[in-house]
Amino acid sequence: AQSVTQLDSQVPVFEEAPVELRCNYSSSVSVYLFWYVQYPNQGLQLLLKYLSGSTLVESINGFEAEFNKSQTSFHLRKPSVHISDTAEYFCAVTPAGGYNKLIFGAGTRLAVHP
Amino acid sequence: DTAVSQTPKYLVTQMGNDKSIKCEQNLGHDTMYWYKQDSKKFLKIMFSYNNKELIINETVPNRFSPKSPDKAHLNLHINSLELGDSAVYFCASSPGAGVTNTEAFFGQGTRLTVV
Repeated sequence: AQSVTQLDSQVPVFEEAPVELRCNYSSSVSVYLFWYVQYPNQGLQLLLKYLSGSTLVESINGFEAEFNKSQTSFHLRKPSVHISDTAEYFCAVTPAGGYNKLIFGAGTRLAVHP
Repeated sequence: DTAVSQTPKYLVTQMGNDKSIKCEQNLGHDTMYWYKQDSKKFLKIMFSYNNKELIINETVPNRFSPKSPDKAHLNLHINSLELGDSAVYFCASSPGAGVTNTEAFFGQGTRLTVV
């Protein structure tokens, strides 16, 4: 079985400051890792994913995440946040190669203040 | 065109009623899912169908019955609604099992409120 722990339920930050949203996972098999973002009253959108290869993955809007197998972590970072990044962020895992049964963390609410 | 569409977006109903939520995907995917997001934003998978066949059935009350008439549609029927069923229900789809199954696409959600 898999589980995901997002260590911070809320992260307040000022605009243009750096941010890190932490995610740890537990699994006895290989997994794929994902970060999804949910803007208010909307569905989930994929932000970035790790399947294999380079452990650093990037999104088109400046977020990046690094897969650390020894620490079973997949933390999300952005060097400079914008007001528009305010949203709920979900870390998720699924067993590699199987059906995409996503196991989600509890979410981290990122609140960017001016 | 919306990739994964759900109807209705909002649903308010009384306890004891029966209701359905519909989902359609135009991505040509083989696999579809229902997830439930509770009031604390926690997301949990409920069901998954692959090519109209049930492949994932988590511990969900049997008042919930999914139906997949074809691989582009996955509907969710709920009997005898209870207050605790109030949540946002998300439909999702993905290509299928194996290395091609790398991303799930989500609908906009259906906010169900039972009063």
